[in-house]
Amino acid sequence: GAVVSQHPSWVICKSGTSVKIECRSLDFQATTMFWYRQFPKQSLMLMATSNEGSKATYEQGVEKDKFLINHASLTLSTLTVTSAHPEDSSFYICSAADRGNHRAFFGQGTRLTVV
Amino acid sequence: QKEVEQNSGPLSVPEGAIASLNCTYSDRVSQSFFWYRQYSGKSPELIMSIYSNGDKEDGRFTAQLNKASQYVSLLIRDSQPSDSATYLCAVIKAAGNKLTFGGGTRVLVKP
Repeated sequence: GAVVSQHPSWVICKSGTSVKIECRSLDFQATTMFWYRQFPKQSLMLMATSNEGSKATYEQGVEKDKFLINHASLTLSTLTVTSAHPEDSSFYICSAADRGNHRAFFGQGTRLTVV
Repeated sequence: QKEVEQNSGPLSVPEGAIASLNCTYSDRVSQSFFWYRQYSGKSPELIMSIYSNGDKEDGRFTAQLNKASQYVSLLIRDSQPSDSATYLCAVIKAAGNKLTFGGGTRVLVKP
């Protein structure tokens, strides 16, 4: 199946700093990628849809100035958590869609801990 | 009403038995349906996709879709302890590729 690579797999940062997470589709072109956040024992919540070459579409309640998304190429999308706070600690997961079959494949996820 | 609903479980089944998971969705125009398996601390893994009414089998997994009842299910035959995980039902509506997830059903397979 299609491979989506996410990096880093875990990161610890200090409050007030910014963290960048990368999501790459390794063997297919993804015009659309998705960013999710998952808190312990909860399901995935879609944060934003990342569109190549255009602005991301954010879900209601997600601050676009805090969660910066850049989708500069057909294989790479990045999520930057700016001015991170402890409440931003979560599991962040990206996915990219296989356009032909509408199947979404997920990256490995990034465990963010803000101290 | 949530867009995609699942019983949170845990669903406890003995090894070798059939695990039956259910999912209902609210948007009648939904067209694509998926089951993902997620182990603790890991990202979801696609195990089944189904697009038309009826059954679809893949190994020990069978997905069933009933669009009239807005219901999709997953059967796991000959359950193994390694099947213990959270199973997420996901739906794509008519337009775009945006997945909407249910809350997940936790499955425990006991040896």
